[in-house]
Amino acid sequence: QSVLTQPPSVSGAPGQRVTISCTGSSSNIGTNYDVHWYQQLPGTAPKLLIYGNNRPSGVPDRFSGSKSGTSASLAIIGLQAEDEADYYCQSYDTSLSGFWVFGGGTKLTVL
Amino acid sequence: QITLKESGPTLVEPTQTLTLTCTFSGLSLSTSGVGVGWIRQPPGKALEWLAVIFWDDTKRYSPSLKRRLTITGDTSKNRVVLSMTNMDPVDTATYYCAYRRGGSSTGGVFDSWGQGTSVTVSS
Repeated sequence: QSVLTQPPSVSGAPGQRVTISCTGSSSNIGTNYDVHWYQQLPGTAPKLLIYGNNRPSGVPDRFSGSKSGTSASLAIIGLQAEDEADYYCQSYDTSLSGFWVFGGGTKLTVL
Repeated sequence: QITLKESGPTLVEPTQTLTLTCTFSGLSLSTSGVGVGWIRQPPGKALEWLAVIFWDDTKRYSPSLKRRLTITGDTSKNRVVLSMTNMDPVDTATYYCAYRRGGSSTGGVFDSWGQGTSVTVSS
């Protein structure tokens, strides 16, 4: 059971817009710590996609992240076949002695 | 360019201790703000953070696994080692090491990842 909750799957047709939600609590997403997003293509290691509201060099501006209260979202516009992957959110939890937390992952299918 | 690579056994027996090594380049564990962490992923399941070591030798562990984990760093050899005791079949997973970028020993993002190493726990 992951600390951050994501929908197991989402889907969309090429060119459409999809969003992936990430729900946490007051001890993680609800703090001042950023939420980050990773993309994992089949059979490969996760890759940083979004950190806070920023994109690493090379990540298309079709991807964007946002946070409000105890939830965060990843938005993908102009969906492309190559976007089919698993997506994970990540933040930091301030409870106990503090620890890093991931969401359960969302499988994006491009129809 | 930052690169990380995990190494270690692919098969361990139940109750044994797993020792994994992360060898990295393009970053220094003696640079302020730098951390190197371990994350695992059981087959078909989600990512799970395990441990991280920082430039000042601060070490942080997953609350649920801290009694079984030990992380150490060798700044001169650009290596981080993770040990996990009392291995069980449920610990079968791909284990990743990653560079944690941030300004302190809390928060931050796992900026670069190794390719991962698959570990099976079975007798």
